[in-house]
Amino acid sequence: QSALTQPPSASGSPGQSVTISCSVTSSDVGGYNYVSWYQQHPGKAPKLMIYEVSKRPSGVPDRFSGSKSGNTASLTVSGLQAEDEADYYCCSYAGSNNPYVFGTGTKVTVL
Amino acid sequence: EVQLVESGGGLVQPGGSLRLSCAASGFTFSKYWMFWVRQAPGKGLVWVSYIRSDDFITTYADSVKGRFTISRDNAKNTLYLQMNDLRAEDTAVYYCARGMWPYSFDCWGQGTLVTVSS
Repeated sequence: QSALTQPPSASGSPGQSVTISCSVTSSDVGGYNYVSWYQQHPGKAPKLMIYEVSKRPSGVPDRFSGSKSGNTASLTVSGLQAEDEADYYCCSYAGSNNPYVFGTGTKVTVL
Repeated sequence: EVQLVESGGGLVQPGGSLRLSCAASGFTFSKYWMFWVRQAPGKGLVWVSYIRSDDFITTYADSVKGRFTISRDNAKNTLYLQMNDLRAEDTAVYYCARGMWPYSFDCWGQGTLVTVSS
């Protein structure tokens, strides 16, 4: 199972919005509503930001939102802040044989 | 506070073995599916294995099937990963993670580095 495709980088100025896409084959995201997103700062463990496409865990700012359309899931960070600069990974349930597939990762830079 | 602490990483020669541990605290360990996820230097996250909470059923990524064994000791609140026949491509930081139904990971350890090199 190949990794889900994300753009390698995205950027925005403080206060602006940035959207990261996560493209998959129909057997991945397209068929399930089990997409999650993780934020990872350099040298740190990943942190869950979004689960089940659009749900936010407790403590995650509402500046982070998720959506899905067809075979593409998206993470939007609104009102960019300096601390949002990090790598972001999507992840999807991909069936019983190889159940979890991560995206290639997107580095978000706050200009 | 929910906490996961990995240990057991280090330098090992190709073909060697290593056992990773993940000590859990702050939650009822026996009720959760547990996972190992790895990240090669400068690369992305890759799911490795999981073990279910009740029936201890395990599943592995194709890349480690037959070489790695995941297990858990609910009495000790500890997750393990026995890694045999290690290869250079197994070099990575290994994270343990708690599963959150359905199909996400809501808590991660700090990771332990495994380096396979002669």
